[in-house]
Amino acid sequence: QSALTQPPSASGTPGQRVTISCSGSNSNIGRDYVYWYQQLPGTAPKLLIYKNNERPSGVPDRFSGSKSGTSASLAISGLRSEDEADYYCAVWDNSLSGWVFGGGTKVTVL
Amino acid sequence: EVQLVESGGGVVQPGGSLRLSCTGTGFTFHAYAMHWVRQAPGKGLEWVSFVTGNGGGTYYADSVRGRFTISRDNAKNSVYLQMNSLRPDDTALYYCAKDVTHSGWDSWGQGTLVTVSS
Repeated sequence: QSALTQPPSASGTPGQRVTISCSGSNSNIGRDYVYWYQQLPGTAPKLLIYKNNERPSGVPDRFSGSKSGTSASLAISGLRSEDEADYYCAVWDNSLSGWVFGGGTKVTVL
Repeated sequence: EVQLVESGGGVVQPGGSLRLSCTGTGFTFHAYAMHWVRQAPGKGLEWVSFVTGNGGGTYYADSVRGRFTISRDNAKNSVYLQMNSLRPDDTALYYCAKDVTHSGWDSWGQGTLVTVSS
């Protein structure tokens, strides 16, 4: 059981907005930055969001991150077929003295 | 262009050992912490270990502490994961990743597959 809880799946039609939650605790999300990674089928993960809401260069502004208290969210607006992937949140956990990932959310474009 | 290439995976019997390697090019290797992350077949990502840029700090997931050892040789632009007392649940694709402090793990290798089976 992961220290971070994500819904196993999310879906939307092209153009819609999809939001993925990541729930943690005071030992992880409540005290440190949250990162989001996208994993397209059969490929290595890719950094999507860093420091809660920053986008690396090259990541479309359709992707946005937010954090409040011990929870974080990733939003995908203007959903596109190429956004079909698994999405993971990650954060340093001070109690575990290690990094933790959420269980991952599979996004399906209907 | 930044590139990370893992090697050393294979099939090993329970209780056996393997040493994974990850070689980085296209960046100042010693300036960055490096991570190992694994993904069991059909499962999610699991952080395994990381080592600081100078090799002086190492951290491990509870699931591997005492069995795995991370190290690096900055002269060879390489990070290693020595895996001992392997168990079937260590079966996974093992990725290495480059850590830009507070800016995420911005580069990942393609992974090397470890299968622990009798």
